[in-house]
This record gives sequence, structure tokens and C-alpha cells, in this order.
Amino acid sequence: SAVISQKPSRDICQRGTSLTIQCQVDSQVTMMFWYRQQPGQSLTLIATANQGSEATYESGFVIDKFPISRPNLTFSTLTVSNMSPEDSSIYLCSVYPRESYNEQFFGPGTRLTVL
Amino acid sequence: AQSVTQPDIHITVSEGASLELRCNYSYGATPYLFWYVQSPGQGLQLLLKYFSGDTLVQGIKGFEAEFKRSQSSFNLRKPSVHWSDAAEYFCAVGPGGGADGLTFGKGTHLIIQP
Repeated sequence: SAVISQKPSRDICQRGTSLTIQCQVDSQVTMMFWYRQQPGQSLTLIATANQGSEATYESGFVIDKFPISRPNLTFSTLTVSNMSPEDSSIYLCSVYPRESYNEQFFGPGTRLTVL
Repeated sequence: AQSVTQPDIHITVSEGASLELRCNYSYGATPYLFWYVQSPGQGLQLLLKYFSGDTLVQGIKGFEAEFKRSQSSFNLRKPSVHWSDAAEYFCAVGPGGGADGLTFGKGTHLIIQP
């Protein structure tokens, strides 16, 4: 398994500002994934972050809005830029541990409210 | 394109009764299938998974699921629910191999009546 922590756990932000969410894993992993869960909705994959290369974004998500960093094998950040109320969601990161590479484990999420 | 359908948005079950949550998937190759549970204010917890082999898989907390390729289904079952099972349940599909994210269904909200 993998132990994943995220910071902050929640935040309330003003529209037009940006927030950076951190994701820390207790072991080295190849890929890290970022998901968005809008209120009452399911999870949608935003992007995949591979250490040493640019993140790969899913349709409907762009790097200018959701820049991602992946400086090493245990850490990643997701920035939500120029926020609007529509960005109010839970943002989750996830990984496949190397010892169980077919099972995806999720962090506790960051609950973001944009006013 | 892959997709997951959970046709029941809400399900209400009496405590002690049996439960079945439906999941249908569309996937071009052999799917890796998962059920996750999300309790209020909690993260996602993996209940069980299916990759290959026996089509009836056992998970944590007394849950099981059956893979039926002919019906493209992966329904979750529990013989007797407990009040603590009240949560949101998500079915998900992926390609396996550790390089890709998952596609989730919209979830089923389980309510337990006393």
C-alpha cells in the first residue's frame, strides 16, 4: 500500500487567486495522478505526472489552469490558477505503489471552496 | 472510449438486509475493475478489485463482487449491511499496468435505515 498526505486539507479562497496543493507519498512511485471531484459528482482525472517530464492532461484540462510539478519520486503539486466558484471541488492525488502496481491508492483530498 | 455506469444514484437498505450495487462498464480491452468507498469526510478506500481469474472476488468489510463479461457488469454485494456501511460507492475501470488513471462511475449513495 501507500500512505499519501495532502496539504492543505481544506481552504477557502477568493476568486481570481491561485492555490497550490501538495501531495506527499511515503514511497517512491513512478506516476502520480490528480483528480477533481466536484460537489456531488464523481472523480475526473485531471492529469498524470511523471517525474522528469511534463504532466499529461486529460481533455478539458489545460496546463495554464492546472500547472503541475513533479520534482521527485515522492512529491507533486497541483496549482489551481485564477480560481472561480466553479473550481470549488475536492482535489485528490493518487499513486500506484511499486509493490502493487495495479491498485491505485488515494490521498485524503483537499476540499477547496472559492467565493 | 471507456465508461462506467452506475444506474442507481441513491439506494436505501434496512440494516441487516442484503445489498447489491450495480455497475456496468464499457472497455475495449480486458478491464481492471475496482470498487471504492468514500465515507463522509473521508478519502477513497479500495474495497475490492478484479484483474483475472475467479470472477467472484472478495473484498474488505464483507463485500464481494462478481465479474460477468457477457453482461459487462461488476456488481457489488453484501449479505447483511451495517449502519457503518452508509457511504458513497464508486465503481471504476482501468487498463492496469500502473501507468494510467481510472475512469469512475458517478457513484451510488447508500443510505441505511435502522
